Order: sequence, then C-alpha cells, then structure tokens
Amino acid sequence: DTGVSQDPRHKITKRGQNVTFRCDPISEHNRLYWYRQTLGQGPEFLTYFQNEAQLEKSRLLSDRFSAERPKGSFSTLEIQRTEQGDSAMYLCASSLAGTSGREGHEQYFGPGTRLTVT
Amino acid sequence: AQSVTQLDSQVPVFEEAPVELRCNYSSSVSVYLFWYVQYPNQGLQLLLKYLSGSTLVKGINGFEAEFNKSQTSFHLRKPSVHISDTAEYFCAVTINQAGTALIFGKGTTLSVSS
Repeated sequence: DTGVSQDPRHKITKRGQNVTFRCDPISEHNRLYWYRQTLGQGPEFLTYFQNEAQLEKSRLLSDRFSAERPKGSFSTLEIQRTEQGDSAMYLCASSLAGTSGREGHEQYFGPGTRLTVT
Repeated sequence: AQSVTQLDSQVPVFEEAPVELRCNYSSSVSVYLFWYVQYPNQGLQLLLKYLSGSTLVKGINGFEAEFNKSQTSFHLRKPSVHISDTAEYFCAVTINQAGTALIFGKGTTLSVSS
C-alpha cells in the first residue's frame, strides 16, 4: 500500500493557460474524490468517481473543470482557461466500497497539488 | 444539508498540557464523523472516526474523541500534547450513505510551544 499519490506537487501557471493534474489512488480502492482547499479553509468537494463513472459533481465544478477516470484507475483533473481564483490546493482522496453499509466512508488523501495562477 | 463548525480557529497550548479541539455538526440524518490532521504542505491524515458503537473513539498519536448526539458534538482531546502535534486539525462529517463527500469544518490550528 503506497498511499494516494498526486502529480505534480506544485504548479505555477499564467492566467488563461490550461493545467492538468493526476491522481493515483490506493490500488484496490474503487472510489476517488477531488477536493479543493483554499487558504484558511477546509477542503471543499468537487467531484467523485466510483470506478470509471463520475457519479457526483459539486456546484464548484464550473464548465472550465473536467475530470476523468479512465479504466477506473488513475484520475485527471483539468482546468481550462485558468483564473486567479483557481489558485488553491487540489486534493485527491480514495476509498474502498464494501458490502457493509459502514465501509467506504474513510477517505485517504494524497499530498495535494498546489496551483498558483499568476 | 450537513455542516460542521469548528469553534476555535486557533488553540495555543504548552507542551505536555491537555487540549480539546471543539467540533459541532448539523444534520437531519445520521452521520459519520472524522478528525483529520494536516501538517504544512501535506495532505490530510485520518486521526480517528466514529461510525457507530462506542461514543468514545481512540485514534492515532494518543488522540481520542467523544460523539455526543444530543449536543451534536465530536470534540477531539489529547491528555498531553507534544511539539510535534502542531498542525491544522479538521473535523468532517458525511451522511450514512456510501460514496458521499466529506463536509469539512474550517479547521483549528493547534500550536504547541515549549
């Protein structure tokens, strides 16, 4: 179990550019989440996958944001035409769905990708 | 909808002193509760969780929390803190439905000094 990994750890981009982040979940986990964390705030939910299906998107996920999880393994989060307000830490988490109702609620987080839009 | 309120944004304490970080939640349905810790420039690490059963739950690094349904609280405690406990602590809630997102509080900065 190598944990959740994210790449890159830091990204600086100019306003208007596109950026893409990658998340590799814990290998046997079938659920994958993306959150955004701004300075002084707790993480806020963006979107969630079960296997390759994107099952939920928050209102924070504007049309400029798109996420994919091909083959139900790693996931990518792309932001098009970045704005200064997109500057934040983007966190990925994964969990394992089980047959018991109590399983799958613990989410394990990666180290995050810090995006700075200049 | 669920919400989480962390009542203290900053808690300064001296090393070896006890500490309590307060968390209240709001929900019309049953919830699961979590505490996460975040060290500078790192992701979140799960400290402990309440899913059901005993209302006193023990986690890693000597932390424990007590679920109080009548007061809708889930306060985090440690009897004796160390310098290394200095970090941001987040309380989170999710409803009793698999796959739903965590709702986080704004966090409490615990600063431990000698």
